Amino acid sequence: RKEVEQDPGPFNVPEGATVAFNCTYSNSASQSFFWYRQDCRKEPKLLMSVYSSGNEDGRFTAQLNRASQYISLLIRDSKLSDSATYLCVVNAGSGNTGKLIFGQGTTLQVKP
Amino acid sequence: DTEVTQTPKHLVMGMTNKKSLKCEQHMGHRAMYWYKQKAKKPPELMFVYSYEKLSINESVPSRFSPECPNSSLLNLHLHALQPEDSALYLCASSQAPAGYYNEQFFGPGTRLTVL
Repeated sequence: RKEVEQDPGPFNVPEGATVAFNCTYSNSASQSFFWYRQDCRKEPKLLMSVYSSGNEDGRFTAQLNRASQYISLLIRDSKLSDSATYLCVVNAGSGNTGKLIFGQGTTLQVKP
Repeated sequence: DTEVTQTPKHLVMGMTNKKSLKCEQHMGHRAMYWYKQKAKKPPELMFVYSYEKLSINESVPSRFSPECPNSSLLNLHLHALQPEDSALYLCASSQAPAGYYNEQFFGPGTRLTVL
């Protein structure tokens, strides 16, 4: 089992659609959770950190379920510019070594 | 300013060459990282520097040699690379590796081609 698993997609959605990405992680000791966005041939950019209570930033909502070891990202009112690969990222358990584990990424294509 | 800079943007080198990749941040971050990313794959951690000391080496071959001259700079020295080492090399930094939600910020990367 991979340490962080995501559905690779691609997700092809029309503009204005709502799309949800899911991610599961295997290490119950993980404490920090993030969503990064990566455009083709660019570096990953931090989209949002994911907190236990869930958090929202504009059209983006992230949720964490520690019991199920599950993280989600919801994008509302999709824009063409949301087309990218979304990486679910989890820290590598306790110890806070700075080591992050990346999922394989989910590709989103928003079409006009 | 959440900026990490990397030079060069592109590098082509032969298997017998020696070259260096450079990374700089001025955010006062005390942890810096090197990652390798192949096409259509997620970044893979190579090294972690914490307070200018090497804290993690993910069993990286010795032809890759990291160096942290000061808290703002990180180098990756390359020697006798193989064609399979061709990849995007990403540098990242965070406030410190310890603590929760220590977000890492990535530089634009150096695209390396080994001939």
